[in-house]
Amino acid sequence: ELKVEQNPLFLSMQEGKNYTIYCNYSTTSDRLYWYRQDPGKSLESLFVLLSNGAVKQEGRLMASLDTKARLSTLHITAAVHDLSATYFCAVLYNNNDMRFGAGTRLTVKP
Amino acid sequence: GAVVSQHPSRVICKSGTSVKIECRSLDFQATTMFWYRQFPKKSLMLMATSNEGSKATYEQGVEKDKFLINHASLTLSTLTVTSAHPEDSSFYICSAIDSSNTGELFFGEGSRLTVL
Repeated sequence: ELKVEQNPLFLSMQEGKNYTIYCNYSTTSDRLYWYRQDPGKSLESLFVLLSNGAVKQEGRLMASLDTKARLSTLHITAAVHDLSATYFCAVLYNNNDMRFGAGTRLTVKP
Repeated sequence: GAVVSQHPSRVICKSGTSVKIECRSLDFQATTMFWYRQFPKKSLMLMATSNEGSKATYEQGVEKDKFLINHASLTLSTLTVTSAHPEDSSFYICSAIDSSNTGELFFGEGSRLTVL
C-alpha cells in the first residue's frame, strides 16, 4: 500500500528558531513535492525533488531527498511569522498516482 | 510560471442539482490531471486521476457515477458532482502535471462547494 507519512503534524515554533519536517514514503517514487497551504487557499508549490541527494533552497526553506531511505526533509531556518501555514509533502508514483502526507501545521510565534 | 485555473472558486447549490467544476492548464499541456477533495483541517484526498482521451481512474470508495470526470483536451478537465447532497460539501482542488518541463505539479485555486 502506498503511504506517505509526515511528521510532526503540529509544530509551534518561536521566531528565529530552526526546525525540520519529515516525510517518509513507502514505495519507490518518481518525484517528491513540497507544498504550502494557507487557510482557505489552494496549494502553493515550494519544491519538486527529482533525484537522490537533491537539495533545493528558497529563502528560509530548504528541502532534501534521500531516495534510499525514502525520506525527504523540509528544513526551516530562523523562522518568521509569515511562514505560519500548513505544509504538505506529496509523492508521485508511476507518473499518475499522487499521494499526500497528512500535513504539518506550522505556527510561528513572536 | 505555469498556471492552473479552476472555476468556479465558490458555488452554492440546492440539494439534488449537479455542479460542474472546470480545471484548465493555461500555459502548458497536461495529459494527466488529478482531482482532490479536502475536508477542513485535513489533508488532500485523491479522488481520481484524469487522463486525456481516456477514462478517469477513480480511487477506491469514490463513486464514479457521482463524480463524473471528463478530460476532453490537453488543457481541460471537468468534475461534475451529480445530484449533490449536503455531504458533498467540500473543498475540491485539481492539479496538473507539466509533463513537458520538470514534471512539476501545479494546483488550481480550489472550488468550495456548499450544498444546501
